[in-house]
Amino acid sequence: QQQVKQSPQSLIVQKGGISIINCAYENTAFDYFPWYQQFPGKGPALLIAIRPDVSEKKEGRFTISFNKSAKQFSLHIMDSQPGDSATYFCAASTVGGGATNKLIFGTGTLLAVQP
Amino acid sequence: DVKVTQSSRYLVKRTGEKVFLECVQDMDHENMFWYRQDPGLGLRLIYFSYDVKMKEKGDIPEGYSVSREKKERFSLILESASTNQTSMYLCASSSPGQRGYGYTFGSGTRLTVV
Repeated sequence: QQQVKQSPQSLIVQKGGISIINCAYENTAFDYFPWYQQFPGKGPALLIAIRPDVSEKKEGRFTISFNKSAKQFSLHIMDSQPGDSATYFCAASTVGGGATNKLIFGTGTLLAVQP
Repeated sequence: DVKVTQSSRYLVKRTGEKVFLECVQDMDHENMFWYRQDPGLGLRLIYFSYDVKMKEKGDIPEGYSVSREKKERFSLILESASTNQTSMYLCASSSPGQRGYGYTFGSGTRLTVV
């Protein structure tokens, strides 16, 4: 129930293409869904996040699509660039202080954008 | 610029050694976390802390302990290092008041146990 399942494990996209990474969860108490981006030699950094009261959130070329009924959410990277090559993690948690503010991470997707 | 600083980028230790991984944050965050990152397994939570001197087990606490004597510092201790603890270790901090309730991660410590 606490798992977040992420796919694919790796992804190769041509420059200018669309990268799509999918995640699914079981715990209906989750109400915060962030995506993290990690470059080699660095820690993950928050990229974009969504709450379940909206179905989509867009920041520049990055969009989260959220399907509450299916318990799925996805990251779309439009016009993918070589600089987007990184590992992407989805995550989920319940919002609030104390023990509930614990993120559950997916297993990660290694994205390579070819020039 | 806010920071989570991990004391070492690379460490090589011998089997059976006691190993200390240090993490310091300058954001006055209440919450601190230790994860290990392994290929294909993602980020797995080892221990976390919501307050000074408080700790809770994560998903894979066996073989590890932690210490949080001050709000800004969270230490991960490998009591007797083993080769299966060779991994990348990531520290993170957060606060309920932080933007998006997200975590700020350190750059990681790559530990090799030989």
